[in-house]
Amino acid sequence: GNSVTQMEGPVTLSEEAFLTINCTYTATGYPSLFWYVQYPGEGLQLLLKATKADDKGSNKGFEATYRKETTSFHLEKGSVQVSDSAVYFCALSSGGSYIPTFGRGTSLIVHP
Amino acid sequence: GAVVSQHPSRVICKSGTSVKIECRSLDFQATTMFWYRQFPKQSLMLMATSNEGSKATYEQGVEKDKFLINHASLTLSTLTVTSAHPEDSSFYICSALDRTLSYNEQFFGPGTRLTVL
Repeated sequence: GNSVTQMEGPVTLSEEAFLTINCTYTATGYPSLFWYVQYPGEGLQLLLKATKADDKGSNKGFEATYRKETTSFHLEKGSVQVSDSAVYFCALSSGGSYIPTFGRGTSLIVHP
Repeated sequence: GAVVSQHPSRVICKSGTSVKIECRSLDFQATTMFWYRQFPKQSLMLMATSNEGSKATYEQGVEKDKFLINHASLTLSTLTVTSAHPEDSSFYICSALDRTLSYNEQFFGPGTRLTVL
C-alpha cells in the first residue's frame, strides 16, 4: 500500500536559516505528491505539488522536487521566517484513489 | 485555487447534545467530499468519504450512527456528531475533490474545533 514517511520534529531554526524537511514515499503507480501547511488553529493549505517525476513544485520560497529514483519529495526553503512556523505535511495520491496518504507531519518552529 | 468553507469554526457544547458541521465548496461542484479528524499534534485521520446523492463510506472503526454524514447537494456536506461526549472533542476538517482537475487534489476547509464539556 501507499505510505509517506516524514522526518520527526519539531524542527527548530533561527530566522534566515536554511530549511530541509525530508519526505520519502512508497506507492503503486505514478503518484502525485503534495506538501500541505497547517498554521496553528487552522486547516490545511496546499503549499506546493508535483504530478510527475522531476517536476519541481514551488511556492512562497519553498521548493520540492519529485525524485522517482529515490522516492523522495524533500521540502526546502533557503531562508525561513518566523511566519513559516507551522506543521508541514507531505502527502501523495495515486492510481484511482482520490484520498491522499498523509505523513505524520513535521512541526517547524522559527525563532527571531 | 478552489475554496472550501466550514461552519462553525469553533463550537462548544454540552455532553449528550448533537452538533452539525457544514462543509461547502464555494466555487466548484464537489461530488465527493471527505471528513477528517485530527488529534493534537497528529496527522489527519480519514473518517468517511461523502458522495453526493448516496450514502457515505466510513473508514474502519468509525461509527456511522455516531457521525452522520449528509451530502445533499454538489456544494454541501454536513457532519453531525450525535450525542457528543468529551472524547469526541477534536479538530474536524473537511475537504472537497475537484474532479475537473487532471490530477488528484483535495481542497481543505479551515477546520472546526469541537469541544464537548
